[in-house]
Amino acid sequence: AAGVIQSPRHLIKEKRETATLKCYPIPRHDTVYWYQQGPGQDPQFLISFYEKMQSDKGSIPDRFSAQQFSDYHSELNMSSLELGDSALYFCASSLSLNPYEQYFGPGTRLTVT
Amino acid sequence: DAKTTQPPSMDCAEGRAANLPCNHSTISGNEYVYWYRQIHSQGPQYIIHGLKNNETNEMASLIITEDRKSSTLILPHATLRDTAVYYCIVLLYGQNFVFGPGTRLSVLP
Repeated sequence: AAGVIQSPRHLIKEKRETATLKCYPIPRHDTVYWYQQGPGQDPQFLISFYEKMQSDKGSIPDRFSAQQFSDYHSELNMSSLELGDSALYFCASSLSLNPYEQYFGPGTRLTVT
Repeated sequence: DAKTTQPPSMDCAEGRAANLPCNHSTISGNEYVYWYRQIHSQGPQYIIHGLKNNETNEMASLIITEDRKSSTLILPHATLRDTAVYYCIVLLYGQNFVFGPGTRLSVLP
């Protein structure tokens, strides 16, 4: 069965650079979620989209923005990167009718140097 | 304030049942209990959820006490691949997941 696809899997950036993470949800899933997991920490909800509209917002820094496109894929844009942004970034998708059965992608490991 | 309390770690022998407890003494009538797990460096994985009744699927069973103040996730025949952090999450429909801290289950050969 198709799973959530995230790209790139690994990314190394320098401080103050920008980064774009991509997420391709499971086919027919209309809702996408982004989570951040710092080293030794638990996943933390950032933001979610339903039908291309932002549906909820968590602890996402103002330097980050995200959007969902007409094909339901989503991108997380991160600017003015800081060392503390180094983390695993997970994307998850679900059907809007069952938002708590989320399917997570393999994650993008971002390292800011 | 944390809505759930879980032991930080547990061990289980391979092939035996793993029983992971979760206390949620302040749960309200409309809050669901969800269980997810995260195998090292992988994305979290949905296991099971319930409201009042016990639930079973191909992965696990969820036993919720009658007063709903606690629940137990049961993996009937644990394997080495079940080694993971298990999260018990209580939330109302419309809220977002708050993961942590969970129980680190080690399945031992």
